Amino acid sequence: GQQVMQIPQYQHVQEGEDFTTYCNSSTTLSNIQWYKQRPGGHPVFLIQLVKSGEVKKQKRLTFQFGEAKKNSSLHITATQTTDVGTYFCAGPGLNTDKLIFGTGTRLQVFP
Amino acid sequence: SQTIHQWPATLVQPVGSPLSLECTVEGTSNPNLYWYRQAAGRGLQLLFYSVGIGQISSEVPQNLSASRPQDRQFILSSKKLLLSDSGFYLCAWSVLQGVGTQYFGPGTRLLVL
Repeated sequence: GQQVMQIPQYQHVQEGEDFTTYCNSSTTLSNIQWYKQRPGGHPVFLIQLVKSGEVKKQKRLTFQFGEAKKNSSLHITATQTTDVGTYFCAGPGLNTDKLIFGTGTRLQVFP
Repeated sequence: SQTIHQWPATLVQPVGSPLSLECTVEGTSNPNLYWYRQAAGRGLQLLFYSVGIGQISSEVPQNLSASRPQDRQFILSSKKLLLSDSGFYLCAWSVLQGVGTQYFGPGTRLLVL
């Protein structure tokens, strides 16, 4: 079946270091979405990418959609303790009724 | 603006007891509705989704059922809870099927003892 995998599963960084999570889909996606879930909270939508090779930035966060529209990445520059949480990518299912969420990357930032 | 409500926030139930979790959305019409379960430290498992009143699609055969009695109301139920039903239950809504952004409710933490 359709799968969306993320690596790494966990990442611990010192505050100020950079962080990247990678998202890989087994099928081509019409769009890729990114969500952040703070500890104890619910997932919150961050951004959506639609075009092949698209790059979008939100302050210290840079999102990229691969040329083949099967992979994506989220890069955080100079992490802060407020970046702590689990980052999920998600793409439409083959029958488009639902989103397929990635396995998630949990980020811990040490001050 | 649109808001999504879930209750209760936390629930402790004995094995074998029934369950009813409710989710309501305000400020939008005919939303697509979703129930997810998240085990501690794990990803999101889609349980059910609905594209309209009375229309329920089940993703994983299990001890749970869902109903959508009204346009903006989504209910998750069980007749007899199992230990394995423990988890964080999240309701979400979207405007577009699959393609659209999903907006999550605050969730219900269920502990089955």
